[in-house]
Amino acid sequence: AQTVTQSQPEMSVQEAETVTLSCTYDTSESNYYLFWYKQPPSRQMILVIRQEAYKQQNATENRFSVNFQKAAKSFSLKISDSQLGDTAMYFCAFMIGAQGGSEKLVFGKGTKLTVNP
Amino acid sequence: EPEVTQTPSHQVTQMGQEVILRCVPISNHLYFYWYRQILGQKVEFLVSFYNNEISEKSEIFDDQFSVERPDGSNFTLKIRSTKLEDSAMYFCASRTDTYEQYFGPGTRLTVT
Repeated sequence: AQTVTQSQPEMSVQEAETVTLSCTYDTSESNYYLFWYKQPPSRQMILVIRQEAYKQQNATENRFSVNFQKAAKSFSLKISDSQLGDTAMYFCAFMIGAQGGSEKLVFGKGTKLTVNP
Repeated sequence: EPEVTQTPSHQVTQMGQEVILRCVPISNHLYFYWYRQILGQKVEFLVSFYNNEISEKSEIFDDQFSVERPDGSNFTLKIRSTKLEDSAMYFCASRTDTYEQYFGPGTRLTVT
């Protein structure tokens, strides 16, 4: 079974500091995509960052970056210079079945991040 | 910036009633999805849709559920006879050619 595990139910960080959220996944596929989504209190799901499994280079989006370790099946999210607006639930997601629309996202249970002033 | 929209934002219905949740995907996207999130739980896949037919569906997506793209812009999820356990946030998503799925703001369905 394809699973995504987020082992940190809650985390907190001081404003302007750096925090890393962990995620591990299980799959037998060799090519796949990994994502981090942010869900603020409004409950909207916002795409933060994407990583293709065949790319060795870690993805970055402004203050957000990932540490992708394919052999370890690990995909952590680093948030630099944390801001109050980063307070949200963060979901790691793994995309399976990447063929012409049959793919789907499998989500972890999420990590609730609080940024303190 | 184009975005996925969903209506209504909140729907309250009585058990056994039919509901239709509406979504307008991003205009140049061709792949569409419905997910749901029961309060406090993770997001779960329901169904994917491409070329006017279902591509994949989960065990949750039983005969009570159906999807339709009635015109060139709308994408709907129908629940024929709602149950209490259908209460959840329902998200529509559409994706790019590079597999990024963009979610709408969700419809909160409350079944009483």
